[in-house]
Amino acid sequence: QVQLVQSGAEVKKPGASVKVSCKASGYTFTSYGISWVRQAPGQGLEWMGWISAYNGNTNYAQKLQGRVTMTTDTSTSTAYMELRSLRSDDTAVYYCARLTMVQGEGYMDVWGKGTTVTVSS
Amino acid sequence: QPVLTQPTSLSASPGASARLTCTLRSGINLGSYRIFWYQQKPESPPRYLLSYYSDSSKHQGSGVPSRFSGSKDASSNAGILVISGLQSEDEADYYCMIWHSSAVVFGGGTKLTVL
Repeated sequence: QVQLVQSGAEVKKPGASVKVSCKASGYTFTSYGISWVRQAPGQGLEWMGWISAYNGNTNYAQKLQGRVTMTTDTSTSTAYMELRSLRSDDTAVYYCARLTMVQGEGYMDVWGKGTTVTVSS
Repeated sequence: QPVLTQPTSLSASPGASARLTCTLRSGINLGSYRIFWYQQKPESPPRYLLSYYSDSSKHQGSGVPSRFSGSKDASSNAGILVISGLQSEDEADYYCMIWHSSAVVFGGGTKLTVL
């Protein structure tokens, strides 16, 4: 079955970096994009950006430009999201999601279970 | 003013219909956007429900019951999610989403209580 399996929870100090992985299975990895969405405790959804698994093209949320990097490893069907210079307000659950196109626009139809990232001194 | 505004909460009775709204900021033309809807239950990732652009261009998520439907209200510049025949399992947070200037924007979410 189609699934995205994310790496485990992380605890980081302010100023550090975190790299979350998202391993895809059950579909042709390079035929879809991967989007990253985060959710701070008790808050709504925040889109971080997306990457094409076909050609590696990326589009990041303006708010995170310069701090976030999304990559893929097509040999292992794995996507990665690295966030640098972590702050306490980066504490959140980070989700990866498969991006599927409908009428030229993408929607997130398969989601990972989420990775909790806690930033604390 | 946020790009997308959703009521914080909504309550409805089992068996009734719930109408969730997603209002686009003034100046953003509803007619140009496809509205996507997601459902999220506690401690779970979001689930894609459907998208709506027009009656001839809409998409239902895989396995999503037909009692979930989308529409638009041009008079209020809002996307609409209607859930008919409410069930207790429909109690969840609901988020709308659009692609705006090549970026995804989520609404703040509506907590639907079925009581």
